[in-house]
Amino acid sequence: GAGVSQSPSNKVTEKGKDVELRCDPISGHTALYWYRQSLGQGLEFLIYFQGNSAPDKSGLPSDRFSAERTGGSVSTLTIQRTQQEDSAVYLCASSVDRDNEQFFGPGTRLTVL
Amino acid sequence: GDSVTQMEGPVTLSEEAFLTINCTYTATGYPSLFWYVQYPGEGLQLLLKATKADDKGSNKGFEATYRKETTSFHLEKGSVQVSDSAVYFCALSDRYFNKFYFGSGTKLNVKP
Repeated sequence: GAGVSQSPSNKVTEKGKDVELRCDPISGHTALYWYRQSLGQGLEFLIYFQGNSAPDKSGLPSDRFSAERTGGSVSTLTIQRTQQEDSAVYLCASSVDRDNEQFFGPGTRLTVL
Repeated sequence: GDSVTQMEGPVTLSEEAFLTINCTYTATGYPSLFWYVQYPGEGLQLLLKATKADDKGSNKGFEATYRKETTSFHLEKGSVQVSDSAVYFCALSDRYFNKFYFGSGTKLNVKP
């Protein structure tokens, strides 16, 4: 069975450009999570979607970050006007529900020049 | 706010040694606690979990007990193997605020 997939696997962009990162969760998983992992750091929680409910966006690091989840499935994380400090690996995970095991995707490595 | 603190690595042990990786947390509610592991070149995967106080999670010879009185969830294994070399992350799920917190990770190196 397919796991969580993310695209692109690597993204190099110039400072000030917008980027979109995509996550395809495991089919049937209602919960979807975005995290950021900077070099040598732990995982920083960004946002959590539960089904079709509106997410709590308070974990997003700035208003340049936004995320949406269409039809309760695919999710897109958008970073506008990228900055060098946005360089990190962005991880997506999904789970059957909130208290169950999160299955992680391979991540998107974002480099902002 | 909630947080997770785990011991810094790297931790280097010889094969068959006893392992402890400390993890403490702060939480306003009653969180679920997890240990995730990332083997070299692979993605994060769940190792074990505990959802309430005094629960013990166990898997692959690893154990951790949810201690509310000391707000800890230390990871232990009686006899490590070279194949246990990985980065271990302690994590917390805050059900009330729907937020999730991971520690900074502890790298374990096991030498033959």
